Amino acid sequence: GEDVEQSLFLSVREGDSSVINCTYTDSSSTYLYWYKQEPGAGLQLLTYIFSNMDMKQDQRLTVLLNKKDKHLSLRIADTQTGDSAIYFCARDKAAGNKLTFGGGTRVLVKP
Amino acid sequence: EAQVTQNPRYLITVTGKKLTVTCSQNMNHEYMSWYRQDPGLGLRQIYYSMNVEVTDKGDVPEGYKVSRKEKRNFPLILESPSPNQTSLYFCATWDRGVYGYTFGSGTRLTVV
Repeated sequence: GEDVEQSLFLSVREGDSSVINCTYTDSSSTYLYWYKQEPGAGLQLLTYIFSNMDMKQDQRLTVLLNKKDKHLSLRIADTQTGDSAIYFCARDKAAGNKLTFGGGTRVLVKP
Repeated sequence: EAQVTQNPRYLITVTGKKLTVTCSQNMNHEYMSWYRQDPGLGLRQIYYSMNVEVTDKGDVPEGYKVSRKEKRNFPLILESPSPNQTSLYFCATWDRGVYGYTFGSGTRLTVV
């Protein structure tokens, strides 16, 4: 199957860490992505990870990939109010084929 | 500046009235695609195009048409829109050597 699933909602206090989780069923995924969508805007690529990697860190963002459990997570350190958005995980079997998206996690950052 | 431009941004129309949503890119990317976004369902692919005159169905193609007569443009055509096509639509491009897709700003369509 091609299902990608995410929890719907996450509330976090400003300054805390946020962890957004994603699970997928297709083990042939090659690339996995995290996109951010702010209200009224398009999708912004935040980061990506190859399926042969376990972890990737990019400033405040840390992506963890557990291939055995088909679980992907995005950790945002020192969460700010500007991080309030919908976050989508997506996978691609071969770059340029087709992105399959999760349903999105709405993150609300409280002051 | 690298851009994917969609028009219009907002559109309200009536059932059955043909409409076209345009998508244009200035990056010379070969691959273009249309997605629709619905709450809780994420984005689902409608149609994609690997190059000029090469198009194929995605996961939810019913009720839509596309064309790719030139590399930069990939319009989405709704011949007879219905209320279940009310959604937020995104055009996206991709090219080799680029990780991740570049998305347009979206077109919010309401069919009444």
